[in-house]
Amino acid sequence: GAGVSQSPRYKVAKRGQDVALRCDPISGHVSLFWYQQALGQGPEFLTYFQNEAQLDKSGLPSDRFFAERPEGSVSTLKIQRTQQEDSAVYLCASSRLGSGLVETQYFGPGTRLLVL
Amino acid sequence: AQKITQTQPGMFVQEKEAVTLDCTYDTSDPSYGLFWYKQPSSGEMIFLIYQGSYDQQNATEGRYSLNFQKARKSANLVISASQLGDSAMYFCAMREGFSNFNKFYFGSGTKLNVKP
Repeated sequence: GAGVSQSPRYKVAKRGQDVALRCDPISGHVSLFWYQQALGQGPEFLTYFQNEAQLDKSGLPSDRFFAERPEGSVSTLKIQRTQQEDSAVYLCASSRLGSGLVETQYFGPGTRLLVL
Repeated sequence: AQKITQTQPGMFVQEKEAVTLDCTYDTSDPSYGLFWYKQPSSGEMIFLIYQGSYDQQNATEGRYSLNFQKARKSANLVISASQLGDSAMYFCAMREGFSNFNKFYFGSGTKLNVKP
């Protein structure tokens, strides 16, 4: 596609429910990033993939958060046993190369997760 | 310490006037990149402009320019001739070249309102 797409755009979950958020990066982009954006805040880094390899997951807040990109394209962020503090917008971004300081990240529209 | 600080939660500007959005950063890495993104109410992060730590000149992209003062560790965004469509959240971000290479650090953002 022309840009990064994410689905669903909105998700309401009951506390304790598992959710899966999908990201389709720009075709051919090597790098993929997940961010969490709380209301009124800037995005915070969660994890980074270079192709199918998850090179950095230091931002994942707990072991309830899991991300994968098995074929180096589509990625899924899974949150198990959701808690109210997980409510946020989850942004996915991709960039063309695997390295390069100047590499711009292109963002998707985000998934707004509300945990009740 | 915060990597990126944006001290203006909200700004107003009259249409057709220029406005400066402040950003200061903190890093000991000699190689880094600074980015500005716009986030309209639709939620998608739109890349505006990039400045590298070794760039000799301030970056410009159309109506956007970056006032880069390396010694002061500031990277302010200047929007000239503001338009109503410029009303949005603006985020400053940094990527470090050698340490934490995979992470983008974002500030808390500035909400810009352009008045007709």
